[in-house]
Amino acid sequence: TQLLEQSPQFLSIQEGENLTVYCNSSSVFSSLQWYRQEPGEGPVLLVTVVTGGEVKKLKRLTFQFGDARKDSSLHITAAQPGDTGLYLCAGGGSAGGTSYGKLTFGQGTILTVHP
Amino acid sequence: NAGVTQTPKFRILKIGQSMTLQCTQDMNHNYMYWYRQDPGMGLKLIYYSVGAGITDKGEVPNGYNVSRSTTEDFPLRLELAAPSQTSVYFCASSYRGKDSPLHFGNGTRLTVT
Repeated sequence: TQLLEQSPQFLSIQEGENLTVYCNSSSVFSSLQWYRQEPGEGPVLLVTVVTGGEVKKLKRLTFQFGDARKDSSLHITAAQPGDTGLYLCAGGGSAGGTSYGKLTFGQGTILTVHP
Repeated sequence: NAGVTQTPKFRILKIGQSMTLQCTQDMNHNYMYWYRQDPGMGLKLIYYSVGAGITDKGEVPNGYNVSRSTTEDFPLRLELAAPSQTSVYFCASSYRGKDSPLHFGNGTRLTVT
């Protein structure tokens, strides 16, 4: 069974601060996806990283996939109240395996950004 | 383009009752999934389907059943509801399967008392 450990579980910061969320596993994943979820809604994809060492930027958000494809991080620069939400990492099937798109999710990070 | 639509949004069941959670998508995606979300636990896969007529168990299938008679619809059946099935249920679909993004519905919040 593949497991993804996401940390921290809760993050409460002031507007303008920087933060990093981590997603770690002992398993190798073919890809790593990051989702953001707001109350009463389903998760929405932010980014997919598929290559070891890959870095993707989405405005103030920077996503990195570990060289060994076992871990990932999400860094937010100058957080804003609009960034508040639940952030989920999800690993896509074992490298080389047939996963049929099944994802293994981390436990999630609840981010609150105070004005 | 509605995406993935789930009904109902909320439901309260008594122990032992049964119900069907409906899910339909209009994106012509072959792959569909049912997840449950519990606080601090992320999302756990219940069942998935790679096309009409094909379904398979996920990580937590006990107490649930699914069918996939059409590409669009993927209902989840709860038989003999138990308090442990109190959760938020999400249906999702994807175009290609491997490494494809999931498109989620807005969930069904189920309480079993």
